Amino acid sequence: EDQVTQSPEALRLQEGESSSLNCSYTVSGLRGLFWYRQDPGKGPEFLFTLYSAGEEKEKERLKATLTKKESFLHITAPKPEDSATYLCAVQVRGNTPLVFGKGTRLSVIA
Amino acid sequence: ETGVTQSPTHLIKTRGQQVTLRCSSQSGHNTVSWYQQALGQGPQFIFQYYREEENGRGNFPPRFSGLQFPNYSSELNVNALELDDSALYLCASSLARGVNSPLHFGNGTRLTVT
Repeated sequence: EDQVTQSPEALRLQEGESSSLNCSYTVSGLRGLFWYRQDPGKGPEFLFTLYSAGEEKEKERLKATLTKKESFLHITAPKPEDSATYLCAVQVRGNTPLVFGKGTRLSVIA
Repeated sequence: ETGVTQSPTHLIKTRGQQVTLRCSSQSGHNTVSWYQQALGQGPQFIFQYYREEENGRGNFPPRFSGLQFPNYSSELNVNALELDDSALYLCASSLARGVNSPLHFGNGTRLTVT
């Protein structure tokens, strides 16, 4: 069974304190790994897609990386507006649905 | 470019009732997926529609059903509501099936079953 595990469940950072969120996965052939941001009461907002080990993508203070077993979302010098739940999802074998992890709830304190 | 819109935003129903949730997909997107998100959990796949046909279903009972219309908008129907159906229901659209077209989500319908 395809599984996605995110850690930590919750993370509290001071403004400017860089850190990383982890997404480990067990799938039978990864086609793509997705990162989403979800604010309270809102739907997930697409951030990145990663396709193969070694790939990296960046957007503002966020950088996502991918290995054969896990992905990291690095947050550099976070600001309070980066506070949200970050969801990781995987897709296998083409048109299969996304399998989501439970998310990491990030709080950035000014 | 209009994003994914869902209605209503909130809904309260009684156990045993039926509910219909609606979704307008992003302009140009022909694939719609529905997900259920319980509090503190990641979204769980319910089903997907592509060109008005169901194109995959998750582990949900038959009382969860859906439709996609020619304009690619969609409905999720749930019969015989149970307390455990209380959740955020998310609709997502994509340009096409497959990994190169990420899902774009609406803000969901918060369903409370009492």
